[in-house]
Amino acid sequence: KAGVTQTPRYLIKTRGQQVTLSCSPISGHRSVSWYQQTPGQGLQFLFEYFSETQRNKGNFPGRFSGRQFSNSRSEMNVSTLELGDSALYLCASSHGSQRPYNEQFFGPGTRLTVL
Amino acid sequence: AQKVTQAQTEISVVEKEDVTLDCVYETRDTTYYLFWYKQPPSGELVFLIRRNSFDEQNEISGRYSWNFQKSTSSFNFTITASQVVDSAVYFCALSETGGYGQNFVFGPGTRLSVLP
Repeated sequence: KAGVTQTPRYLIKTRGQQVTLSCSPISGHRSVSWYQQTPGQGLQFLFEYFSETQRNKGNFPGRFSGRQFSNSRSEMNVSTLELGDSALYLCASSHGSQRPYNEQFFGPGTRLTVL
Repeated sequence: AQKVTQAQTEISVVEKEDVTLDCVYETRDTTYYLFWYKQPPSGELVFLIRRNSFDEQNEISGRYSWNFQKSTSSFNFTITASQVVDSAVYFCALSETGGYGQNFVFGPGTRLSVLP
């Protein structure tokens, strides 16, 4: 089974621009979660999508948004980039519909640098 | 609110030494899940173990073992006879099941360096 894939792996943008990151979950997984990892704040939960609906949301400003498609692939968008948005963005997939929750499988991440 | 604390920011050991990584959590739920993940230099988080709040049995998997103690809200991870390949950042995480959907909280991580 192919793992979680994220594209692009590296991205350089300037302040004020917007960016879209993509995540393809493991086949059969319907839940996709996004995390931001920075040296100062660690791993922080952004949001989770399940069956094309945002099911859970972390404490991030509205500049951070996402969506999920019918094939479970997900995108996250950051508008009006700020220097502080420079981070490793990790995507994780899981079955999402089973209790207890299964472990999340993480992708390699997209490293975003904002200049 | 849920919270995970990993008091050890960085640990250095010499190969073949045993090392224990501490994890203390806070939650109001009676049903929850605890996880350990490894993040090697490549950046990808690798799942190591999941433990639910009703199962306090310790677990051993090769050189890895986990000690879950509800009384002290701790879920510690021990690597026996450490190897250079164990060098990574290790994260402890907590997921409550009371809410709907995934709700993971990660600790700040412990950077383990195993020296040859």
